[in-house]
This record gives sequence, C-alpha cells and structure tokens, in this order.
Amino acid sequence: EAGVTQSPTHLIKTRGQQATLRCSPISGHTSVYWYQQALGLGLQFLLWYDEGEERNRGNFPPRFSGRQFPNYSSELNVNALELEDSALYLCASSWGTFSGNTIYFGEGSWLTVV
Amino acid sequence: KNEVEQSPQNLTAQEGEFITINCSYSVGISALHWLQQHPGGGIVSLFMLSSGKKKHGRLIATINIQEKHSSLHITASHPRDSAVYICAVPPNTGNQFYFGTGTSLTVIP
Repeated sequence: EAGVTQSPTHLIKTRGQQATLRCSPISGHTSVYWYQQALGLGLQFLLWYDEGEERNRGNFPPRFSGRQFPNYSSELNVNALELEDSALYLCASSWGTFSGNTIYFGEGSWLTVV
Repeated sequence: KNEVEQSPQNLTAQEGEFITINCSYSVGISALHWLQQHPGGGIVSLFMLSSGKKKHGRLIATINIQEKHSSLHITASHPRDSAVYICAVPPNTGNQFYFGTGTSLTVIP
C-alpha cells in the first residue's frame, strides 16, 4: 500500500511568487494535515482538511491556503512568498481524527524562497 | 508557555548505550505520539499510546496520564538510531497536534 506522497520534493521560488504543494493521503484516509517546519524550529500546524472542507487552521496568515479534492488529495498554496516561508512542508493523513489513530507523514516538500 | 516540553534537546551516546528521552505535556489528552524524523526530513510514527507501555524492537515507550509524562527508551542504541525524536499530543479539544521541539540524537559507533 502506498504511503502519503508529496510533490514536489524540492521547490525554489523567488520572493513574491506563489508556491503550490501537493499531497496524496493513504488510500481511505479522509483527513489531511499540513505542517511547516522551518529550519531549527519545531513542527507548526498549518491546516486540516477533512471530507473536502477546511476544518481548522493554525496561526498563519491568509496567504497560506489550500483545498482538498474529492479524492481526498490536497493542495497547499502559499501566495506572495516571503523569505521566511522557506521550510519543510509536511503532509500527514489519518483515519478520522488524530486523537486515537496512527498518523502517517509524507516525506515532505522543501520550499526555498530566494 | 509550551504545551509540550521535551528533554534533552540534544543527546550524544556511544553505540550500545541505553537512551531515555522525556516528554511532559500540559493539556488533557487521550493519546500521545512519538515520531522519528530522519535527516532528510521524513517522519515516521513510532508509537501511539494512551496508557502503560509499548515495545517495538529496541524501542520502548511509556506514559503516565496522571502525571502527564511520557518517556521513549532505546536499548542497545545503534548509529542508525540517529534522528530527531518528537513527542506529539493531540489535545482532547480541537484537532491539531502540539509538538515538542524534538530531541536530536546522535549515536557514535
């Protein structure tokens, strides 16, 4: 069974551009979570999608957005890129909520803003 | 104030040593996760536990819900155990994780 897959693996953008990152959850998982891990910092919660809807978002500006498609895959968009957006972006999926279920992470997408 | 505190932040051990990483949290939870992040960035879920102890190979995780504390132990450590170990708790309210800042483990041959 395929795990959580993310693309692209690496992405280089210039300040002010937009970046789009993609995530395919494990088959059957309806919840997709996005996290940012900036260099030297811990994981920060970005967004949670479930059944096609945004259920919760972390303390990030509105230029961080995304969506979940009918097949439960998800896209994270970062508009008006800033240098400090350079980070590893991780996607995770699970059956339902995290409270009682194992979580599965993708390998991540490295975004570099220059 | 961080909802999840991990210690130590950095740990260097000789191959074969017994290792303990600690996690304390302040929110009410029903389960706690231990994650392993390799240098490339990929994260693997090691354990999800809500009480007592779980063992997988050389890894042992324990949790005391009353004391809001968990420990991850590695027996007979090996250089391939070198990674960042992260404690994560999903609070009973809301649906996001609180993460510890991680413990960077280096096991020297």
